Amino acid sequence: GEDVEQSLFLSVREGDSSVINCTYTDSSSTYLYWYKQEPGAGLQLLTYIFSNMDMKQDQRLTVLLNKKDKHLSLRIADTQTGDSAIYFCAESIYGNNRLAFGKGNQVVVIP
Amino acid sequence: KAGVTQTPRYLIKTRGQQVTLSCSPISGHRSVSWYQQTPGQGLQFLFEYFSETQRNKGNFPGRFSGRQFSNSRSEMNVSTLELGDSALYLCASSSLDRGLYEQYFGPGTRLTVT
Repeated sequence: GEDVEQSLFLSVREGDSSVINCTYTDSSSTYLYWYKQEPGAGLQLLTYIFSNMDMKQDQRLTVLLNKKDKHLSLRIADTQTGDSAIYFCAESIYGNNRLAFGKGNQVVVIP
Repeated sequence: KAGVTQTPRYLIKTRGQQVTLSCSPISGHRSVSWYQQTPGQGLQFLFEYFSETQRNKGNFPGRFSGRQFSNSRSEMNVSTLELGDSALYLCASSSLDRGLYEQYFGPGTRLTVT
């Protein structure tokens, strides 16, 4: 089954890059997602990557996937105060709509 | 397009009562999934409905149930509420494209059980 792990807290200065990490365990073909949750809000889909890809870039966001180590990372370039939030990685098996989430990383951006 | 809407946004109930939460998906999305978010357990999958049929179910007791209507709107029901049911309940809608589900979440319903 799916099991997704994340570290908990990251503090970063405005303008710096921030990197959030995640590991997953399922070896099936999967989609891996990054979601953002601001206080009092639902989850916002940021980006996703299929397990046969190594990297995906989307504006300030870069997703890197190390399939051998089952390690996923999200890099946010030029971090802004609006990036302060909890970031969740999630995994779903190809063709299955059920997401398995990590515990989330809280990112605090210091002005 | 309008996003996923959930009603009510906040709810306070007492133990033993039952509650019904509603979710309206993005227009054209036929799949609706429900998740429970708590500080201790994080985000956990409850169930998924597609074309009025439950297609996936998480590991929750039978007190948690749901349904989907012909217009894709979905409701979930929790009977005999327990204190531990206090949580943020999130609904997500999605359409299927080449095996990828891009799930879009609503703002959630915050349920407090006293």
